[in-house]
Amino acid sequence: DVKVTQSSRYLVKRTGEKVFLECVQDMDHENMFWYRQDPGLGLRLIYFSYDVKMKEKGDIPEGYSVSREKKERFSLILESASTNQTSMYLCATRATGANTEAFFGQGTRLTVV
Amino acid sequence: AQTVTQSQPEMSVQEAETVTLSCTYDTSESDYYLFWYKQPPSRQMILVIRQEAYKQQNATENRFSVNFQKAAKSFSLKISDSQLGDAAMYFCAYRSAVGGGSQGNLIFGKGTKLSVKP
Repeated sequence: DVKVTQSSRYLVKRTGEKVFLECVQDMDHENMFWYRQDPGLGLRLIYFSYDVKMKEKGDIPEGYSVSREKKERFSLILESASTNQTSMYLCATRATGANTEAFFGQGTRLTVV
Repeated sequence: AQTVTQSQPEMSVQEAETVTLSCTYDTSESDYYLFWYKQPPSRQMILVIRQEAYKQQNATENRFSVNFQKAAKSFSLKISDSQLGDAAMYFCAYRSAVGGGSQGNLIFGKGTKLSVKP
C-alpha cells in the first residue's frame, strides 16, 4: 500500500514564524502536491512538483514556497505565517501516467495565532 | 479552465437507504478522468470510485456506483444500502488525461457532507 505521511496532524504557530510542513511518500511517485482545504471552498492547489527540484505554482501560491530535494519528500514552507493561513493542509502523491490515482496524507491542521 | 460544481453542501440519508450525490463539471476536453473521494472525520482522503471519460459504461464499486452523462457533463454518485460508516465529506474531482504539468492536477468541487441516520 502507498503510504503518504505528513509530519504533524496538528500544529500551532505564531504570526510571523517560518513554518515547515513535511510530506514523505514511500512509493517512488514522481508527482507530489500540496493542497489547502477550507470549509465551503473544497481543496485548492498550492504547489506541485513533478520531479526532484522541479516545482510549479498552483492556484493559490501566494505566501507559500516549496522544496523537493529528494524524490520522497515534499516540503511546504510558510515564510512568515499569517492568521489567514490557518487551514487544513493535505499532501498528495501520484505516479506519472494517465490512468493513475492520487494518494493523500492524513492532513495537517495548522492554526496561526 | 475546468471547474467542478457540487450543488449540495449537505445531504442526509437513513441507514440502509439509497442516496445520490450530484456533481457537474465544465471542460472543453474530450479525454479526462472523474473521481469521487471520501473524507471521513479521520481526514484521510480515500478514493471511492473513478470513471474514464472514454468509457460509456458507468463505474461500480460494491455499493457505490456512478451515473456518468458525458454530454450533460454530469457525474453523480449513488450509495446503496447506506451504512453509518459512509458518513463523511464527499468530493467530486476532475483530472485531464492529456499532457503533464498542471494538467495532471486534480480539480475538486467544494464537497458534500453526508450524514447517515441510524
